[in-house]
Amino acid sequence: GNSVTQMEGPVTLSEEAFLTINCTYTATGYPSLFWYVQYPGEGLQLLLKATKADDKGSNKGFEATYRKETTSFHLEKGSVQVSDSAVYFCALTRYNQGGKLIFGQGTELSVKP
Amino acid sequence: DVKVTQSSRYLVKRTGEKVFLECVQDMDHENMFWYRQDPGLGLRLIYFSYDVKMKEKGDIPEGYSVSREKKERFSLILESASTNQTSMYLCASSLKWGGRRTEAFFGQGTRLTVV
Repeated sequence: GNSVTQMEGPVTLSEEAFLTINCTYTATGYPSLFWYVQYPGEGLQLLLKATKADDKGSNKGFEATYRKETTSFHLEKGSVQVSDSAVYFCALTRYNQGGKLIFGQGTELSVKP
Repeated sequence: DVKVTQSSRYLVKRTGEKVFLECVQDMDHENMFWYRQDPGLGLRLIYFSYDVKMKEKGDIPEGYSVSREKKERFSLILESASTNQTSMYLCASSLKWGGRRTEAFFGQGTRLTVV
């Protein structure tokens, strides 16, 4: 079946450090891939997405590239800020599954000043 | 601005009570979803709906039911609350799948504690 695996957290970084959160997936066909972010006490917000192989999603300095050959969608940011502290979820959906999202377990990021 | 609104941020209920969690969206989306979020488990789909009066089970439907009488409203019902249903509940909506460019919009979540 379809599944998403994220690197385990929590991840603790100093401000201005480089961030990578690994995400790999298992799915037949060509899923769409998403990163969602959840700030403390809030619901999920879409951070970025990619809908086909080699697409790069980007938003707020975050980037992720849809790599079909390695079934990966790793999240990166060149210089994190304290305000980036949140839980990050990788997710996929199949085009014939009505927008149902399959989530990874989430990775908590803590950025220290 | 797109909006998915859940009726409560925090709820405390007693074991055995019937609990209603309400969700309303103002984007005219066909699809609506209820997820449960638990530490280390990510989000798991409880139920979803593609249309009014239509519902389908997700991955963990046991102990839950849903109602969708109007397009904008999707209710999650805990028929007899139990302590293992203490969790964060998230509602989401999305356009009916017509291609690859849809994404889900989430409410702020309801943290339910069953005592």
